[in-house]
Amino acid sequence: EVQLVESGGGLVQPGGSLRLSCAASGFTFSSYWMSWVRQAPGKGLEWVANIKQDGSEKYYVDSVKGRFTISRDNAKNSLYLQMNSLRAEDTAVYYCARERSSSCDYWGQGTLVTVSS
Amino acid sequence: DIQMTQSPSSLSASVGDRVTITCQASQDISNYLNWYQQKPGKAPKLLIYDASNLETGVPSRFSGSGSGTDFTFTISSLQPEDIATYYCQQYDNLPHTFGQGTKLEIK
Repeated sequence: EVQLVESGGGLVQPGGSLRLSCAASGFTFSSYWMSWVRQAPGKGLEWVANIKQDGSEKYYVDSVKGRFTISRDNAKNSLYLQMNSLRAEDTAVYYCARERSSSCDYWGQGTLVTVSS
Repeated sequence: DIQMTQSPSSLSASVGDRVTITCQASQDISNYLNWYQQKPGKAPKLLIYDASNLETGVPSRFSGSGSGTDFTFTISSLQPEDIATYYCQQYDNLPHTFGQGTKLEIK
C-alpha cells in the first residue's frame, strides 16, 4: 500500500525557517517524480514544487523561488521541503504527492504550516 | 503561467442529477489535464487524468472530456458521497496550475 506521511509543520515567525519531510512507503520511491502542493486555509490548491527521480531537476512556483528548496533522499525514501524567509502568505497545509506522468496519484495527509508572530 | 478558470465556483444539485463542471485554460494545453476531488479535511484524490482517462477504482459515473483550452467534467448521476470540491489542473507547462475549485453541494 502506497503511503506518504508528512511531518515538520508548525508555528513559525515571519522570516523564520521550517523543514518539511515526507516519508514514502509501499512503492519504489526512486522511480517517481515527487511534488509539494499547498492549500491556504479555506482556499484552493497551489502547486509549489517538484523534483525528478534522481534529484537532477527541480521546479518551483515563482512565489517560492529563492526561498524554498525541494530535495529527496532515495536511500531513506524521503522527500523534503526547506522553507526559508517564511511569510504570512505561506500559511497553508502542505501536501506531498507522488507524480505518475505528471498526475498526482497519491497524496499524504498534509502538514499545517502557520506563519505568524 | 497558464491560468485555469473553472465554472461554476459552486453548484447545488439533487441526488441523481447530471452535474457538469467546466475548466478553461488560458492557452492550448492539449489533453494535459487532471481532475481531482477533495472532501473536507482530506487530501485531494485523482479522478481523471489526460482529460478523459478514469483513474483505477474511480466509479464510472465520473467522466471527463475536452482538449485544447476547453474541458468538461461530468458526474452522470450525483450520489451523496460525491459532495466535495473539484479541481482541474493542467500539466502542459510548469507550474502545474490548478483551477480555483468548484464546491458541489446537495440540494
